[in-house]
Parts: sequence; structure tokens; C-alpha cells
Amino acid sequence: GQQVMQIPQYQHVQEGEDFTTYCNSSTTLSNIQWYKQRPGGHPVFLIQLVKSGEVKKQKRLTFQFGEAKKNSSLHITATQTTDVGTYFCAGNSGAGSYQLTFGKGTKLSVIP
Amino acid sequence: DAGVIQSPRHEVTEMGQEVTLRCKPISGHDYLFWYRQTMMRGLELLIYFNNNVPIDDSGMPEDRFSAKMPNASFSTLKIQPSEPRDSAVYFCASSPKTGGRVIYGYTFGSGTRLTVV
Repeated sequence: GQQVMQIPQYQHVQEGEDFTTYCNSSTTLSNIQWYKQRPGGHPVFLIQLVKSGEVKKQKRLTFQFGEAKKNSSLHITATQTTDVGTYFCAGNSGAGSYQLTFGKGTKLSVIP
Repeated sequence: DAGVIQSPRHEVTEMGQEVTLRCKPISGHDYLFWYRQTMMRGLELLIYFNNNVPIDDSGMPEDRFSAKMPNASFSTLKIQPSEPRDSAVYFCASSPKTGGRVIYGYTFGSGTRLTVV
């Protein structure tokens, strides 16, 4: 079945440094979504990418979808302590399926 | 809207007991998903419903797990009998009907932390 791999598993950064997490799918995706889960919380939807090569920005967050629609990345510029949490990518294969396969997430720690 | 509502928030039970987790999706959302989250396995899809009908239950671990959705505003996930390896956080999520091939983002509930001792 479809597998979604995410790296790194953990990332510790100094406040103000940049952060990037990468997501790779074993199959071509119809679309990819990103979620953030704060410690002790639940996943919260951030964004969805649909088109090949698509780039979207949300303030300091930049999301990219690869040309082959098999990989994606999330980049945070100048991290803040409020960015702490685990970031998940989740892929949908389309073809009539409405389920998401989640990566294992990247846990971000920000040192003040 | 109050969002996706799950109960209970925490459940501690003894091995062999029956456990029932409950979920109320967002009104108007056609899709309901049950996920399980553990450190080792991450977020795993257990089952999902479309318009109250189970569509894919291939993620249900074994016959001890069952899920129902008797109406559009309520779903249950039952474990009988429970085992210590079932300890995890169980999330319910809902999503609106899509207008085409692209699905919408999920809205997750706060989860139920299940501990089986």
C-alpha cells in the first residue's frame, strides 16, 4: 500500500533559525496536506497542495509540492517558540479514495 | 460550530473490558474517519465512513475492533475485549463532501487517550 515517509524525525533549532521537513511518497499523489499537532493536542489542518510544482505561503511557512507529485516540503523561516509541535504531511492517492496516509511527522523543538 | 467532539477524553480500563469511544462530527460533513496514534506507528487510519456507510475498514486491527455510525451525527468505536497493546490516542476526524477529485482538509477531535492496564 501507499507509504509516506517524512524526515527528519526530530529537529531542534535555535529561535530565529530556519526549519525544513521533507515528505516522500512511494506512489504519485493526487494531493498532499500538511497538519500541525501541538504537544498534547490534535492535528490541525494547515494547507493542501494539488498541482505539480505548486508553492504556497502562509506568513513564515512555505509549502512545496514536487513536480512528480511524489514529494513535498515545509519550510519555516525564522522559527519562533510558537512553532513548536509535530508537523505531519498526509497524502491522498485520489482514484476515488478519500483517505489520507500520514507520515510519522517531524517533531520541532525551538530553543529560546 | 463546536468542532468534532469526542468522549471520553481519557479512559483507563482493565484488560478484557469493553471500551466504547464516541464521536460527533461537524454537522454537514459527509466523511468520518477514525485514526489511532502511537509513538511507534504514528497516525493509522482504522476505518472511514461516507454518509454513515463504512467504506474502508482495512485498517481495523482485528475482530476485537468494531465501528458504527447509526446516523450522521454520531459514531462509536468499540474494543472488546481490550488489551494493553490497544493503549493509544484515538482520534475521530470529519471532512466535507468534495466537489470533485480533490478532498478537503480534515477536522480532528481532541482525541481519547486510552490506557489498558
